[in-house]
Formats: sequence, structure tokens, C-alpha cells
Amino acid sequence: EVQLVESGGGLVQPGGSLRLSCAASGFIVNSNYMTWVRQAPGKGLEWISILYGGGSRYYADSVEGRFTISRDIVKNTLSLQMNSLRAEDTAIYYCAATEAYWGRGTLVTVSS
Amino acid sequence: QAVLTQPSSLSASPGASASLTCTFPGGISVDTYRIYWYQQKSGSPPQYLLRYKSDSDKQQGSGVPSRFSGSKDASANVGILLISGLQSEDEADYYCMIWHGSTWVFGGGTKLTVL
Repeated sequence: EVQLVESGGGLVQPGGSLRLSCAASGFIVNSNYMTWVRQAPGKGLEWISILYGGGSRYYADSVEGRFTISRDIVKNTLSLQMNSLRAEDTAIYYCAATEAYWGRGTLVTVSS
Repeated sequence: QAVLTQPSSLSASPGASASLTCTFPGGISVDTYRIYWYQQKSGSPPQYLLRYKSDSDKQQGSGVPSRFSGSKDASANVGILLISGLQSEDEADYYCMIWHGSTWVFGGGTKLTVL
């Protein structure tokens, strides 16, 4: 059974940084693509980034240049380094393994 | 960037069927894409329901009842999630998604009320 558990969310000031992690079990993080998707309060789903098994990575325009997706094969985790955070980055951040498996999410709040 | 349009809300009665639509913009043919459907209940993460491209290219999510099914209306350039035999537990937000290049594009979601 695939399980994904996100962590690292919290309250951060505008301009600050945060690193999210997604611990995977039942799925090898470099075996296939993994993504980050976020959901602002009361809003819909927004795709953020993807990391393919081969290493290619892509970002939404809204986070390009500020966010970095990566993985740790030893720890079998996916990460999202978020810099220069803005109020509009406030959301629940979900990691997903392929289209089918999603974690429960971690809340990021950007506020002074 | 592709923008998928979903009605913001839909109401239906228990036992009835509901068709949730996902409209593709002009210039992008629904026939080209696998459409993924997700259900999100209040306070919970999205759950994968199914994907549909054609009757020969479709996949039901693990444990998802067969009363959830996908289809397309090519003439209207629309993807459809059909839920038959509606139950109160089907009340949720539903999102469609496609791959557009190497990105995922979501529809805005439909809030389904069962009453």
C-alpha cells in the first residue's frame, strides 16, 4: 500500500523560506514521477511542480525561480524548498505519486 | 495554458444520476486527452476516482465503485464524470485534470450536493 506523509508546514513571514518533505512508503520516489499540488483556503487545486524518475523537473509559472523540487533516494522522500514566500502561497500542500496516490497535506501559512 | 471549465455547483437527488462536465477550451480537443477525475470531501485530500480517454483506454481507481464512470462528448468538447445511484456520501467537490505537456491542469471543481 502506498502511503505519503507530508511535513514541514507552518507559519512563515513574507519573504521567508520553508522546506516541505513527503515521506513515501510502498513507492520508490525515483521509480516514477511525483508532484506537488497546493490548495489555497476555499479554493481549487493548483499544480506546482513535478519531478520525473529520470530527474527532469518542471514548475508552475507562479513558483518558478522560488521553489525547488528534489528527492532523497536513501530516505525515500520528496522535498519542496520554498523561498521568497508570499501571502498568496498560503495553502495546503499535497504530494502525489503518479496521479493516483496523494498524501494528506501540510498547511503553509505566509503571514506577518 | 489550458483552462478546464467545470460548473461551480450541481445538485441532485439520492438515487438519481449526476453528470459532471469538464469543458475543454477551443483549440484543444477532448479526444486527445486522458481525463483524470478526483473526489474531495470536506477536510480531506483529493481521492483518485478514475481516468478516461476512450472505452479502450480507461482505468478505475482502486476500490472505486463502478457507479462512477467516465465518458466524453466530442461534439461539445467535454469530458464527463457520471455518478449513478447517488448516495449522500457522494456529496463532495469533484475535479477534472489533464496532462498538458509536463504539467497538470485542473478544472476549477464542481461542488456536488446530494439532497
